[in-house]
Amino acid sequence: KAGVTQTPRYLIKTRGQQVTLSCSPISGHRSVSWYQQTPGQGLQFLFEYFSETQRNKGNFPGRFSGRQFSNSRSEMNVSTLELGDSALYLCASSLEPTSGRSGYFGPGTRLTVT
Amino acid sequence: AQSVTQLGSHVSVSEGALVLLRCNYSSSVPPYLFWYVQYPNQGLQLLLKYTTGATLVKGINGFEAEFKKSETSFHLTKPSAHMSDAAEYFCAVSEGSARQLTFGSGTQLTVLP
Repeated sequence: KAGVTQTPRYLIKTRGQQVTLSCSPISGHRSVSWYQQTPGQGLQFLFEYFSETQRNKGNFPGRFSGRQFSNSRSEMNVSTLELGDSALYLCASSLEPTSGRSGYFGPGTRLTVT
Repeated sequence: AQSVTQLGSHVSVSEGALVLLRCNYSSSVPPYLFWYVQYPNQGLQLLLKYTTGATLVKGINGFEAEFKKSETSFHLTKPSAHMSDAAEYFCAVSEGSARQLTFGSGTQLTVLP
């Protein structure tokens, strides 16, 4: 069974631009959670989607948004990028809404904002 | 509110020596506890987790951790370190209905030959 996949793996954007990251969960999993990892703030929960609905949300500004499609694939969008948004963005998938408790994380997307 | 403290941002051990990575948590309800490992340029891999039941949890790659409620600790151990264990290790807690993982700041493990 294929694992969690994230695309793209690396991304370079300029301040003020917007970016969309994609996460495909393990086949059969309906929940996708997103986490941001930075050297300064560590790993922080962004949000979780289950059956196309946001079920849980962390403490991030409204520039960070997400959605989930009927095939359970999820995208997260960051608008008006700031230098501080440079991070590794990780997603996790699970059968039920567990916000990452299941332990199935993808390899991450490394976003660099210049 | 839940929180996690990992004592020691860097730990070095010799190959074959005991690995001990410390984690203390704060939670207002019985927590779920996790240890993850992250290799360079990779995502998180679950080593082990405690939900309920037996307090000594065995994980992959020879790692284990013991949940001690009285000490609010969940330290990670491995009897004999291998070079391939060099990585960053994260302890995490998740409580009740909040579900989301709260991570510690991580411990970088170096294994010396």
